[in-house]
Amino acid sequence: DAGVIQSPRHEVTEMGQEVTLRCKPISGHNSLFWYRQTMMRGLELLIYFNNNVPIDDSGMPEDRFSAKMPNASFSTLKIQPSEPRDSAVYFCASSFRGEPQHFGDGTRLSIL
Amino acid sequence: SQKIEQNSEALNIQEGKTATLTCNYTNYSPAYLQWYRQDPGRGPVFLLLIRENEKEKRKERLKVTFDTTLKQSLFHITASQPADSATYLCALDARGGGADGLTFGKGTHLIIQP
Repeated sequence: DAGVIQSPRHEVTEMGQEVTLRCKPISGHNSLFWYRQTMMRGLELLIYFNNNVPIDDSGMPEDRFSAKMPNASFSTLKIQPSEPRDSAVYFCASSFRGEPQHFGDGTRLSIL
Repeated sequence: SQKIEQNSEALNIQEGKTATLTCNYTNYSPAYLQWYRQDPGRGPVFLLLIRENEKEKRKERLKVTFDTTLKQSLFHITASQPADSATYLCALDARGGGADGLTFGKGTHLIIQP
């Protein structure tokens, strides 16, 4: 079975540009999570959805970040405008009814 | 504020020995605690979950303990092998039910030397 699929795997862009990260959760999973990982802060929860509805976005750093889940098989995390301090690895994870989370292999984002 | 600490950034263990990793937390009453493994360039992979009313959980060479009085979990790998080298993360779910996001420690980088 396919796991959580994230795209792109790597993204390098200049500050001020819009960045869109994409995630396809495991089919049948009803919860989706976005995390960010840096050396300084470790792995941090940004936002999560249950049944396509955003439940808690308190981890989103600021208004430049937004996330959507238009259907059960797709989610996006958008940064506009991007800044160098947004450079990190962004992970998407999904789970089914409270079972442990399955992570994708992340998007490594570099903002120059 | 809520805090999760893992005992050290890096741990070197001789092959065949038992590796013990520590996860401490404060200002938290987790319903359960999870351990994940992360390899370079990959996402975390779930290993074990232990609930607040459980003292110990085992899976093959892995063992996890959970002491809610000490606010501590220990993660053991017995008969360690070089292939066990990775970063190990502990994670807490404050409210239980599993549908919430997790709070992670920063991880311990385990190196098993042949």
